[in-house]
Amino acid sequence: SAVISQKPSRDICQRGTSLTIQCQVDSQVTMMFWYRQQPGQSLTLIATANQGSEATYESGFVIDKFPISRPNLTFSTLTVSNMSPEDSSIYLCSVVETSFNEQFFGPGTRLTVL
Amino acid sequence: AQSVSQHNHHVILSEAASLELGCNYSYGGTVNLFWYVQYPGQHLQLLLKYFSGDPLVKGIKGFEAEFIKSKFSFNLRKPSVQWSDTAEYFCAVNERRDDKIIFGKGTRLHILP
Repeated sequence: SAVISQKPSRDICQRGTSLTIQCQVDSQVTMMFWYRQQPGQSLTLIATANQGSEATYESGFVIDKFPISRPNLTFSTLTVSNMSPEDSSIYLCSVVETSFNEQFFGPGTRLTVL
Repeated sequence: AQSVSQHNHHVILSEAASLELGCNYSYGGTVNLFWYVQYPGQHLQLLLKYFSGDPLVKGIKGFEAEFIKSKFSFNLRKPSVQWSDTAEYFCAVNERRDDKIIFGKGTRLHILP
């Protein structure tokens, strides 16, 4: 199974600043996703990170607010831009390993915006 | 749009009680179905999944789920819960033509010792 690490594990940020979250996988994976889990809520898909092209965003999420990079098959970043307290959440990287037909989740990044 | 509904937001049971958590989905096409569990302070973990074949699926830790296509349901069951089953449980659905997984809102299960 894929092993996923995220950096940072948590951060406390000021309103108006930006934070970039890194996701590293120990093997090449076909699909990488970014999710948000707000306090007391379920997981909401933000976007699919596409290798070598622009990410595919879900309804309600835009590139200017959540720019995503995926330079190769094992790494992706999500930036939360111009943060507000409403962005306080856990951000999760997730991957699909086609051979296992299963989706794996990273440990998450707990973001608090003051 | 595809959606997943979990009937109970918070369930409290005593140890040895039987458990059933409801899950219904809205999509009428071919789907893959999942239950994930998140223990306090830990990652999401896959509990069990259904892709095809026997609609009664066995997972880890004594959990099972039954896919009933006519009811668009995939309920999670365990005959006798333990205190260590205290966690949040998420039902999820994936359309076969798409790699996205859509999650339900989760059910917080609390087992009294």
